[in-house]
Amino acid sequence: EAGVAQSPRYKIIEKRQSVAFWCNPISGHATLYWYQQILGQGPKLLIQFQNNGVVDDSQLPKDRFSAERLKGVDSTLKIQPAKLEDSAVYLCASSFGTPDSINYNEQFFGPGTRLTVL
Amino acid sequence: GQSLEQPSEVTAVEGAIVQINCTYQTSGFYGLSWYQQHDGGAPTFLSYNGLDGLEETGRFSSFLSRSDSYGYLLLQELQMKDSASYFCAVRVPSSGSARQLTFGSGTQLTVLP
Repeated sequence: EAGVAQSPRYKIIEKRQSVAFWCNPISGHATLYWYQQILGQGPKLLIQFQNNGVVDDSQLPKDRFSAERLKGVDSTLKIQPAKLEDSAVYLCASSFGTPDSINYNEQFFGPGTRLTVL
Repeated sequence: GQSLEQPSEVTAVEGAIVQINCTYQTSGFYGLSWYQQHDGGAPTFLSYNGLDGLEETGRFSSFLSRSDSYGYLLLQELQMKDSASYFCAVRVPSSGSARQLTFGSGTQLTVLP
């Protein structure tokens, strides 16, 4: 079974530029997550999708970040314009169950995109 | 809000046993999960405790006490490949009836030969 795919793996941009990340979750997984992981910290949830609908985007800085999951499969996360503090690894994860499932469904993470903002 | 505390670093020798503690304060709580992350790698799932008690999976065990807002990950027969960061994560209410994971800052485990 193929894992979560992400691209690009690395991206270097200057502040105020725009950048987009792509994620293809495991086939059949209903829930998709985007996390931001700053060096030395744990992953921080940015947005959670169930199929193609947003479940929770309360921690997404909506003035500069946007995300979509068209057709309920792959997803893109965009930053426009980028700031220095956006330098981080952006992790995409997916899980089989829905976010309101009583049973816990483990999250499968992709390799991440390492963003450096200069 | 949510807050989690775990030690930033732990060092142990090959073959030993190590315990990584996690205490939490949350608004709502469904369970405690543990993830492993090697340098430059993706987090991978280790365990989940929704109820009090001990869960064992091979060399790894995880414990939860909901009344104490406390859990731990126990790693036995340590191997060099266990050198990694270990994150506890609480499953808490999100919007509506949804749930989400909030991660701690991680514990860097170094296994020495």
